[in-house]
Amino acid sequence: AQKITQTQPGMFVQEKEAVTLDCTYDTSDPSYGLFWYKQPSSGEMIFLIYQGSYDQQNATEGRYSLNFQKARKSANLVISASQLGDSAMYFCAMREGSAWSKAAGNKLTFGGGTRVLVKP
Amino acid sequence: KAGVTQTPRYLIKTRGQQVTLSCSPISGHRSVSWYQQTPGQGLQFLFEYFSETQRNKGNFPGRFSGRQFSNSRSEMNVSTLELGDSALYLCASSSRVRHEDAQETQYFGPGTRLLVL
Repeated sequence: AQKITQTQPGMFVQEKEAVTLDCTYDTSDPSYGLFWYKQPSSGEMIFLIYQGSYDQQNATEGRYSLNFQKARKSANLVISASQLGDSAMYFCAMREGSAWSKAAGNKLTFGGGTRVLVKP
Repeated sequence: KAGVTQTPRYLIKTRGQQVTLSCSPISGHRSVSWYQQTPGQGLQFLFEYFSETQRNKGNFPGRFSGRQFSNSRSEMNVSTLELGDSALYLCASSSRVRHEDAQETQYFGPGTRLLVL
């Protein structure tokens, strides 16, 4: 079963508008972390935002915010005021592991990604 | 601080050859992870090294191996290359040591694009 699901393979967004990228996850581990990364055409993965499973508030980082709905196991990324430079692939990822004795370490499981194209 | 660096950036090999990719983590980071990215399989975890020990391994054949040196630099090796090994190989480093350091993320390098002919 897919642990991370991103149902939107691609989407267009008008410059200066907001866009929401969907991400649902599946885990039985009570302690986990959710990450969003941006990958421009150059290939490098750029960290955007993090949400911990025990965090009470939704994470925000500048124009990025995470709509975390734990009961629904969703962690949607919201990009406000889209810019042309936001055109890229966006990946949702999960890190599991509640005890250091587990082998989980820093392993990330990624979703399939969503390609965003910002139109001027 | 300098970011994660990977060498070489581009590589062309032929089937049956072997290849070694190198990754230098951010200074002070002891965890290095490797990922393979292909259009068909997406991003897949290869392995993670921490303090010169492999801590976790993904579901890849034994042709894929790695190691980490005392300065935290890491190398991955792919022996007997196959066409399907053509991919972007990404290295990531993290300063996360304790499981309580939940917000410590992984920072990725620019990747090595490997083409197997």
